[in-house]
Amino acid sequence: TQLLEQSPQFLSIQEGENLTVYCNSSSVFSSLQWYRQEPGEGPVLLVTVVTGGEVKKLKRLTFQFGDARKDSSLHITAAQPGDTGLYLCAGSSGAGSYQLTFGKGTKLSVIP
Amino acid sequence: AAGVIQSPRHLIKEKRETATLKCYPIPRHDTVYWYQQGPGQDPQFLISFYEKMQSDKGSIPDRFSAQQFSDYHSELNMSSLELGDSALYFCASSLGLAGAVVGTDTQYFGPGTRLTVL
Repeated sequence: TQLLEQSPQFLSIQEGENLTVYCNSSSVFSSLQWYRQEPGEGPVLLVTVVTGGEVKKLKRLTFQFGDARKDSSLHITAAQPGDTGLYLCAGSSGAGSYQLTFGKGTKLSVIP
Repeated sequence: AAGVIQSPRHLIKEKRETATLKCYPIPRHDTVYWYQQGPGQDPQFLISFYEKMQSDKGSIPDRFSAQQFSDYHSELNMSSLELGDSALYFCASSLGLAGAVVGTDTQYFGPGTRLTVL
């Protein structure tokens, strides 16, 4: 069973600060997705990374996939209160298994 | 852009009753996935279908069954409901067989069905 360790579990920061969320595994993933989920709603896709070493930017969010495709990070620059939410990483092995393995999530709170 | 549609959004049932959840994938998506998310938990994979055939199976109880129809919509049938079945149930869809083409296995989630078993 593939596991994704996501850290930190909780993060409370002041508006304007930078932060990084980590997602680590001992397993290789064919792709890794980052989602943001609001309470009681479905996860909303932020990005998919598929190539080792890949870096993708989405405004103030920077996503990186590790060279070995076992880990990923989400960096937010100059966090804003609107960034508050639950961030989930999820990996797909792609090797005949189509399920997503989710990390436990990072609950981010940005204080004005 | 069209998203994944799930119905109903909320469902309240008594113990031992049955429930049917429906999922309509994004147009042209041929793969659907079902996930269960308990309070404060991350989503757990239940089952998936590609081209109307079961493609993968996770932690789905024997009391649950699912199928995908010719129009690619899917239904999750839940029988002999238990209190522990209370959760958010998400459907996700993707285009193409996961892993077959790099990047096509991105899963897009629906808004979920909140099932409460009393």
